[in-house]
Amino acid sequence: DSGVTQTPKHLITATGQRVTLRCSPRSGDLSVYWYQQSLDQGLQFLIHYYNGEERAKGNILERFSAQQFPDLHSELNLSSLELGDSALYFCASSVDTGNQPQHFGDGTRLSIL
Amino acid sequence: AQKITQTQPGMFVQEKEAVTLDCTYDTSDPSYGLFWYKQPSSGEMIFLIYQGSYDQQNATEGRYSLNFQKARKSANLVISASQLGDSAMYFCAMREGWNTGRRALTFGSGTRLQVQP
Repeated sequence: DSGVTQTPKHLITATGQRVTLRCSPRSGDLSVYWYQQSLDQGLQFLIHYYNGEERAKGNILERFSAQQFPDLHSELNLSSLELGDSALYFCASSVDTGNQPQHFGDGTRLSIL
Repeated sequence: AQKITQTQPGMFVQEKEAVTLDCTYDTSDPSYGLFWYKQPSSGEMIFLIYQGSYDQQNATEGRYSLNFQKARKSANLVISASQLGDSAMYFCAMREGWNTGRRALTFGSGTRLQVQP
C-alpha cells in the first residue's frame, strides 16, 4: 500500500461528458502529480501541484484541469471527453526532497464509450 | 530524442536466475535522479530503487540493484534470484533539473518481464 488513495478505481462514461478524478496524497506529502498511461503514448506527466499551487504542466490538454485543495487532496477534471482520453490516470505524491521517490496510487481506469 | 530508452520490449527469465533490464537516458543536466518502477498486471506502480547522478555507489535494495554507468548514460536494473512474482512491466524513469525545480518524472516505454518456472 503506497498510502496514495485514488477514487474511483474505474469510470465508464460517454464522449462529450465530464468526469472528476480524486487523489489523496500520503500523509506529509505536499506534492501531487498526475500522469496518464495510454497504450499509444505510454506514461506521460500531466501536471504538478505543490501545497495548493500549480508548479508545472506537462502534456495536459486544455480540456483537462486540476486543483489541489487546502487539505492537499487533488482533483483532475476531464471535460468534453473523447475516445482517445481512455487511459489509466495515476496520481503520485512526494515530499520532493533529495532522493525521495514519487509514490503512486492504484490509478483510475477511464473508459470512454 | 527520447530521454529514456528501454530497448527490450519483453524479456524471459528462468526462476531463480538473475536478469538485467536495460535503460539508457539522455540529459545535459548534471543533477538528475533515476528510478525504477514495477507495474504488475493489476496496474499499480511500485517504486523499486533510486540512483542519484552524484551517488558514488550503485544503489541496492534487497534483490534489486542498479548498474549505473554515468559515462554511458545507462542505469540498468538487475534482479537477482528471480521469483514468479517478479513477472510484471518495469519502467525506468528520470527526474532531471532538480536545481531548477522540475520534479516530474519522464518514463521509458517499459520492459515486460516474464519469469518462467
